[in-house]
Amino acid sequence: LAKTTQPISMDSYEGQEVNITCSHNNIATNDYITWYQQFPSQGPRFIIQGYKTKVTNEVASLFIPADRKSSTLSLPRVSLSDTAVYYCLGSNTGGFKTIFGAGTRLFVKA
Amino acid sequence: EAGVTQSPTHLIKTRGQQATLRCSPISGHTSVYWYQQALGLGLQFLLWYDEGEERNRGNFPPRFSGRQFPNYSSELNVNALELEDSALYLCASSPSESETQYFGPGTRLLVL
Repeated sequence: LAKTTQPISMDSYEGQEVNITCSHNNIATNDYITWYQQFPSQGPRFIIQGYKTKVTNEVASLFIPADRKSSTLSLPRVSLSDTAVYYCLGSNTGGFKTIFGAGTRLFVKA
Repeated sequence: EAGVTQSPTHLIKTRGQQATLRCSPISGHTSVYWYQQALGLGLQFLLWYDEGEERNRGNFPPRFSGRQFPNYSSELNVNALELEDSALYLCASSPSESETQYFGPGTRLLVL
């Protein structure tokens, strides 16, 4: 299962685009990359998932280069309510063992 | 559609006691996962159940155990509670064909 590395924290201002990059050098061929968002004292919430290239939904975009050794979560025009911890993880179908890293604490300022 | 539910929301116990936490998955989901999250830290994988069987467990002592019932709901039992067991315990569920997990609100366990 892929071990992931993310920045510990990031600061941003309202209205800016935020890009959070995650490294997963040993990602397996059948691993998907999934991002979650967690607010204090709540369970993580699924944001987006991808395997390669680009995936976009109503919340975010996920960019995965061809070598799949990293991925970038892009949050367009963040607001104060986007202040949270963001986790990336690689896991394959079946949930053999899901390893959440420490995540990235995003602080959005007014 | 109802999400993952957990009970109780808060639980206070003393050292040496036993705690039972409950989780109801999203309807149609057969997999249930349990995580421990100590204050300010990341999620630590505890247990994974699917179709009533324990499929995998994290690096936790045997006093952490659980089970999954025929209706796919699940219980997490923690015996001989220790102070460091104080944490937010999160349950997640997923359909059998997907590993995307949907989390409940958690149970906050405080061991005094």
